[in-house]
Amino acid sequence: GAVVSQHPSRVICKSGTSVKIECRSLDFQATTMFWYRQFPKQSLMLMATSNEGSKATYEQGVEKDKFLINHASLTLSTLTVTSAHPEDSSFYICSASVSWDFNQPQHFGDGTRLSIL
Amino acid sequence: GEDVEQSLFLSVREGDSSVINCTYTDSSSTYLYWYKQEPGAGLQLLTYIFSNMDMKQDQRLTVLLNKKDKHLSLRIADTQTGDSAIYFCAERWLSGGYNKLIFGAGTRLAVHP
Repeated sequence: GAVVSQHPSRVICKSGTSVKIECRSLDFQATTMFWYRQFPKQSLMLMATSNEGSKATYEQGVEKDKFLINHASLTLSTLTVTSAHPEDSSFYICSASVSWDFNQPQHFGDGTRLSIL
Repeated sequence: GEDVEQSLFLSVREGDSSVINCTYTDSSSTYLYWYKQEPGAGLQLLTYIFSNMDMKQDQRLTVLLNKKDKHLSLRIADTQTGDSAIYFCAERWLSGGYNKLIFGAGTRLAVHP
């Protein structure tokens, strides 16, 4: 149980393109989902907390207009990297917690490797 | 502030035990987690411990928590080549009514014959 699916697993595109990444909880409802960014050989940095039916909460230093988050249902959150540039190339990982129970651990997707040429 | 520290690298022989250490800063953390990341993949939850526990064992994995020293460790018994990965320690941090995880830098475990 507690499977999180992330799609696509890899994206290569030209500078200026907008890229959408999907995060789905397959067998549970996730009121809250999280988006992380990971640079090579580094830890995960939380970008934003995605809340179903309301605006995302962004961490300090993360551009809201650059990284658009939509959490339209209890099983789907999307991250759109708008007008992507080479410096946006990174590994993006989402996670989800079961409903409102903060005592439940976060379960992670397999990540999306984004490469901007 | 939020800070989780881990040693960056550990090398062990196959069959030996591995011990990965972690220190954290938030004494009010209620849950502490260990995640495993294989190359190019997401994070797999290995185990977690509640702050009122000193030890938790799950098959080959043993977690020890010293709350006084804010020290967490993960012991892997009979380490196998398939255990080679990066292991992240994380503490749960409550901020603005939302919970979030603060990760350490990760410990790269290399298992050799």
